[in-house]
Amino acid sequence: NAGVTQTPKFQVLKTGQSMTLQCAQDMNHNSMYWYRQDPGMGLRLIYYSASEGTTDKGEVPNGYNVSRLNKREFSLRLESAAPSQTSVYFCASSDLGGINTGELFFGEGSRLTVL
Amino acid sequence: DAKTTQPNSMESNEEEPVHLPCNHSTISGTDYIHWYRQLPSQGPEYVIHGLTSNVNNRMASLAIAEDRKSSTLILHRATLRDAAVYYCILRDPFSGNTGKLIFGQGTTLQVKP
Repeated sequence: NAGVTQTPKFQVLKTGQSMTLQCAQDMNHNSMYWYRQDPGMGLRLIYYSASEGTTDKGEVPNGYNVSRLNKREFSLRLESAAPSQTSVYFCASSDLGGINTGELFFGEGSRLTVL
Repeated sequence: DAKTTQPNSMESNEEEPVHLPCNHSTISGTDYIHWYRQLPSQGPEYVIHGLTSNVNNRMASLAIAEDRKSSTLILHRATLRDAAVYYCILRDPFSGNTGKLIFGQGTTLQVKP
């Protein structure tokens, strides 16, 4: 079992460029999440998807879009990258069978630098 | 969302028990108490969670106060590998937000050899 897989692991962008972070899970989970973590800070929720076909904003959604492509995949898109979006991005999944009490499984993170 | 309060940092000696406190005075009746930890340069990993009763697993124990306004994560014998940031988080499975987790700053645990 791979768990939660994120690609790419590292990316450098110039201001104004666009890119998509990909996330896939193989645990048949209903819910998926995107978080960002700035240096010395806790994680902040960007967007989440409670189930296939639904997405909702988290704490810091501005500047991002998401797509729940199918049950396995949840992508995060930066349409016009800004230096303030330099961060480490984590994807997570949870809730087999829609029971929202279980643990979240996190990917290894994608480190994004915007110059 | 109900909030949690944790000390910024704690120190422990290797092979000694560690008690990591968390205050959550505004916890609701349906909030579960979750603990995660984040090792350097890694994503968070689940440690333990509970609702009312104390919980044990292979990694740790969770002691929940009778009024549920506080809890303590117990690492029975700290190892150097336990040095991490520990997050105490409340999760409401019945709220409209589908139980998303809101992370705070956490407690940075240092383990000395």
